[in-house]
Amino acid sequence: ELKVEQNPLFLSMQEGKNYTIYCNYSTTSDRLYWYRQDPGKSLESLFVLLSNGAVKQEGRLMASLDTKARLSTLHITAAVHDLSATYFCAVDINQGGSEKLVFGKGTKLTVNP
Amino acid sequence: ETGVTQTPRHLVMGMTNKKSLKCEQHLGHNAMYWYKQSAKKPLELMFVYNFKEQTENNSVPSRFSPECPNSSHLFLHLHTLQPEDSALYLCASSQDHGEYSYEQYFGPGTRLTVT
Repeated sequence: ELKVEQNPLFLSMQEGKNYTIYCNYSTTSDRLYWYRQDPGKSLESLFVLLSNGAVKQEGRLMASLDTKARLSTLHITAAVHDLSATYFCAVDINQGGSEKLVFGKGTKLTVNP
Repeated sequence: ETGVTQTPRHLVMGMTNKKSLKCEQHLGHNAMYWYKQSAKKPLELMFVYNFKEQTENNSVPSRFSPECPNSSHLFLHLHTLQPEDSALYLCASSQDHGEYSYEQYFGPGTRLTVT
């Protein structure tokens, strides 16, 4: 059974600081997604990582994928309050002929002034 | 707007009621999904429909019954639910190319409370 583990699950940081969220998974996959969820809202797609070594950046967020290590990171640079949300990674696997996403538990990020 | 709409946004129902959740996608996708998000568990996949055919039923109790009349609409029929079924139910869609799917786009969710 595929396991997707994120850490930390809770992260409180000050504005202006840098930090990294980690996503480890337990089976072979070369596609990984990062989503953001604001309280009471749906999931918003942030990054799609489709191959080993993929790196994508959008504003203060940068995501990378190492399929050999089965690890993805979401790096936050100079955090601002607007980044406060819950961040999910999801691993795409093909199981029994159908595609499915398996999500981590999410990292709740709070950026304090 | 993600192009995936869900109704109702909030639903309170008793354990003996029957209700339905509706999802509609306007993105031209051919795969649709139901997920359950509860406070104590990761996002759980419930059902997958590809090309209107159910391809995944993730051991979901029979009190949840999905229906996909066409590739744009997805329903989740609910009956005799339990309080532990209270959760946010999210619908998503994607373009499935057989060997892989593109990213999934999520609707706003239906917040369900079972009393």
